[in-house]
Amino acid sequence: KAGVTQTPRYLIKTRGQQVTLSCSPISGHRSVSWYQQTPGQGLQFLFEYFSETQRNKGNFPGRFSGRQFSNSRSEMNVSTLELGDSALYLCASRIQGYTDTQYFGPGTRLTVL
Amino acid sequence: DQQVKQNSPSLSVQEGRISILNCDYTNSMFDYFLWYKKYPAEGPTFLISISSIKDKNEDGRFTVFLNKSAKHLSLHIVPSQPGDSAVYFCAASAGGSQGNLIFGKGTKLSVKP
Repeated sequence: KAGVTQTPRYLIKTRGQQVTLSCSPISGHRSVSWYQQTPGQGLQFLFEYFSETQRNKGNFPGRFSGRQFSNSRSEMNVSTLELGDSALYLCASRIQGYTDTQYFGPGTRLTVL
Repeated sequence: DQQVKQNSPSLSVQEGRISILNCDYTNSMFDYFLWYKKYPAEGPTFLISISSIKDKNEDGRFTVFLNKSAKHLSLHIVPSQPGDSAVYFCAASAGGSQGNLIFGKGTKLSVKP
């Protein structure tokens, strides 16, 4: 079975721009979560989508948003980019339940200049 | 306030010996714990998990121990191999109420030949 895929793998943007990242979950997985990894804060939860609905949300500003499509693929969007948004953005999928194991993709490295 | 703490940023072990990675948590609502391994420029790879109803779970060379009264868990790798060199993250979730993972800051394990 193919793993979680994320595109693009690398992105360079400038302050004020907006960016959209894409995630395709493992086949059969209906839940997709997004995490941000930075050297200072570590891995932090952004949000989770299940059946096209946001099921859970972390403590991030409204500039960070996401959505999920009927095929479980998910996108996250960051508007009005700030330098501090430079990070590795990781997507994780699981079958559906809260105790199902989350499997991570390789991440998208976003650099904001 | 960090709910999941990995107090050792790094650990160096000789090949063939035991590696013990430690993790402490503060939230008594956590009922599901996982260990992930991460190589640079890759997403975390799931290693092993344990539910709060157990105190030990084994999978090959990896064993996780949970001490609920001390709010402490540990990952034992026996025997350690050079390929185990990576950053190890401990994660926890309060599965009954929300499924997002709370991660520790990680421990970098170096296994020397």
